[in-house]
Amino acid sequence: SQTIHQWPATLVQPVGSPLSLECTVEGTSNPNLYWYRQAAGRGLQLLFYSVGIGQISSEVPQNLSASRPQDRQFILSSKKLLLSDSGFYLCAWSPPANYEQYFGPGTRLTVT
Amino acid sequence: AQKVTQAQTEISVVEKEDVTLDCVYETRDTTYYLFWYKQPPSGELVFLIRRNSFDEQNEISGRYSWNFQKSTSSFNFTITASQVVDSAVYFCALSERKTSYDKVIFGPGTSLSVIP
Repeated sequence: SQTIHQWPATLVQPVGSPLSLECTVEGTSNPNLYWYRQAAGRGLQLLFYSVGIGQISSEVPQNLSASRPQDRQFILSSKKLLLSDSGFYLCAWSPPANYEQYFGPGTRLTVT
Repeated sequence: AQKVTQAQTEISVVEKEDVTLDCVYETRDTTYYLFWYKQPPSGELVFLIRRNSFDEQNEISGRYSWNFQKSTSSFNFTITASQVVDSAVYFCALSERKTSYDKVIFGPGTSLSVIP
């Protein structure tokens, strides 16, 4: 069966510091991968998606970037965090030929 | 443009009551999928159901049931005999197939509190 991991689970970082969140998927090959942010108020915002190694597309311009160095690894980064980057970050995967997405446990980021 | 509306922001029910969560969607696609996800306090989104646009059969899974009506663009979710463990935020979502990936548009969510 497939599983998706995210770490760290929680993170408190000062403004201006770098960020690296990691997501890995097990038990599947060539998944589509997604990063979402959920700010207070519950709305889910798609940040990035990837359909293959090195293929990243951004949905909204922002202070963040994403990379996919391996087939089942997806990384969310920032060079300098802003207060507005605080939120709950969720990674998700879907099979290439399917529609539903499966989510990881999330990382709660607080920028102070 | 695609859109998902969940008009109920928060709902409180007493345990064992039935509760229906409303979802209305907008799309110009003829082929699309609808989903429900549950987000308990732990934060992880749990996939509950997928329904494609060509299948209007209602579905029942234990205490959960879903009513898909294309004529009113609605995909409502009913929990029968609610339990405290059902307390969570529930998201309705709509997917559209892009050229190489599936963009899922989430509704704003409905927070359900089941009071013992």
